[in-house]
Amino acid sequence: GQNIDQPTEMTATEGAIVQINCTYQTSGFNGLFWYQQHAGEAPTFLSYNVLDGLEEKGRFSSFLSRSKGYSYLLLKELQMKDSASYLCAVRDSNYQLIWGAGTKLIIKP
Amino acid sequence: NAGVTQTPKFRVLKTGQSMTLLCAQDMNHEYMYWYRQDPGMGLRLIHYSVGEGTTAKGEVPDGYNVSRLKKQNFLLGLESAAPSQTSVYFCASSPTVSGANVLTFGAGSRLTVL
Repeated sequence: GQNIDQPTEMTATEGAIVQINCTYQTSGFNGLFWYQQHAGEAPTFLSYNVLDGLEEKGRFSSFLSRSKGYSYLLLKELQMKDSASYLCAVRDSNYQLIWGAGTKLIIKP
Repeated sequence: NAGVTQTPKFRVLKTGQSMTLLCAQDMNHEYMYWYRQDPGMGLRLIHYSVGEGTTAKGEVPDGYNVSRLKKQNFLLGLESAAPSQTSVYFCASSPTVSGANVLTFGAGSRLTVL
């Protein structure tokens, strides 16, 4: 079966750095996505990786290793507004998105 | 530019009742999707559409029907609601399925079946 694993919940301090990991086992691979979802709201797109390596976008970076079936989302200079759930999704060989259950990130002052 | 609009935002049903969720997008996207989101689980695809007049089953289609008579609208129907269908439903759309294809989501519809 297809599976996406990410930690259920993480806690970090305002101003710090946090890394949210995602491991996947899917039927093929056609890209990995990270979405942010604030409580009670819709998911919004953060990043996309299809080749190995690091993609940087402001305070957020996403890394991919296809050989290891592994990705992480790195958030720097954490702000209170970063408190949200972070969803990892992999597009499989049929171009269907397989979603992880999400990581709830709690930011403390 | 409204993006993706879902109606209604909240609904309470009794077991056995029927209802329709409406999704409308104004971005001229070809692809539209209906997901459900339950605590502790990832988004699960119910049905999707690759263009006007076409629909296909996703991961959890049982108990739901869909229609896409117009490109901008994607309707999700529950013919006989069950408590197991209590969930938050999200509609999404995308221009394609390849490349850095980004889904645009609606705000969600929270459905409770008693």
